[in-house]
Amino acid sequence: AQTVTQSQPEMSVQEAETVTLSCTYDTSESNYYLFWYKQPPSRQMILVIRQEAYKQQNATENRFSVNFQKAAKSFSLKISDSQLGDTAMYFCAFMNYTGTASKLTFGTGTRLQVTL
Amino acid sequence: DTEVTQTPKHLVMGMTNKKSLKCEQHMGHRAMYWYKQKAKKPPELMFVYSYEKLSINESVPSRFSPECPNSSLLNLHLHALQPEDSALYLCASSQVKRAKSYNEQFFGPGTRLTVL
Repeated sequence: AQTVTQSQPEMSVQEAETVTLSCTYDTSESNYYLFWYKQPPSRQMILVIRQEAYKQQNATENRFSVNFQKAAKSFSLKISDSQLGDTAMYFCAFMNYTGTASKLTFGTGTRLQVTL
Repeated sequence: DTEVTQTPKHLVMGMTNKKSLKCEQHMGHRAMYWYKQKAKKPPELMFVYSYEKLSINESVPSRFSPECPNSSLLNLHLHALQPEDSALYLCASSQVKRAKSYNEQFFGPGTRLTVL
C-alpha cells in the first residue's frame, strides 16, 4: 500500500513571496504519478501540477514548480509570487493503476493562507 | 465540455431514508470514481468503475451501493446511513489506462451530505 505524508498542517505566506510545501511518499512501485491538488473553500478539487515518476525533469506550471527527488521519495511544491487566490488546502497525491483504473492516495493536506 | 456535475449540492437525510447521489460527465471518460471526504481530511476512495463495471471497492459498508447505468452516469444509492457518514461526497472521472500515459481525474464539486 502507498502512503503520502504532508508534515505541515498549516502555512502562511505574504503576498508576492515564495512558499514551499513538503510531501513525502512511500511505495514499492516503479511506475507512478504524483500530483498537487488545490481545494479552495468552494470545495472543488483543482489539479495544480503533475509529475511522472519516470521523468527526471521537475515539472513547472507558471508560478508553480516541484522538486521531485525520487530516491528520497520527496515531492515538494514551490509557489512563487503568491497571490491571495492561492489560499486553499493543498493535497499531495500519489497515483498508481489497478487494472485499467487509476487510484489516487492523498496526503493529509496543508492549509495555506496568503496574507497581505 | 470538461465538467463533472453532481446533484444535489446538499442533502439532508434521516437514518431510515433512502436517497441517491448522481454524477454525470460528457467527456467520454470510461472510468468513474466515488470519494468520501470528511471535514478537514483528505478524500478517501470508495469505488471505481471501469467500462461500467465495478473495478475497486475499498471495503465500503453495504449501506452505500454504487451503480453505473451507462458510461456518462454514476449513482451512489444510500440507505440506512449513520450520522458518521455525514461528509462531502466527490465524484471524479478519467480516461482508462493506456500504456505510458497519464489519466487525469476530473473532479465534480461534490455533494455535502448530512445524516441526522
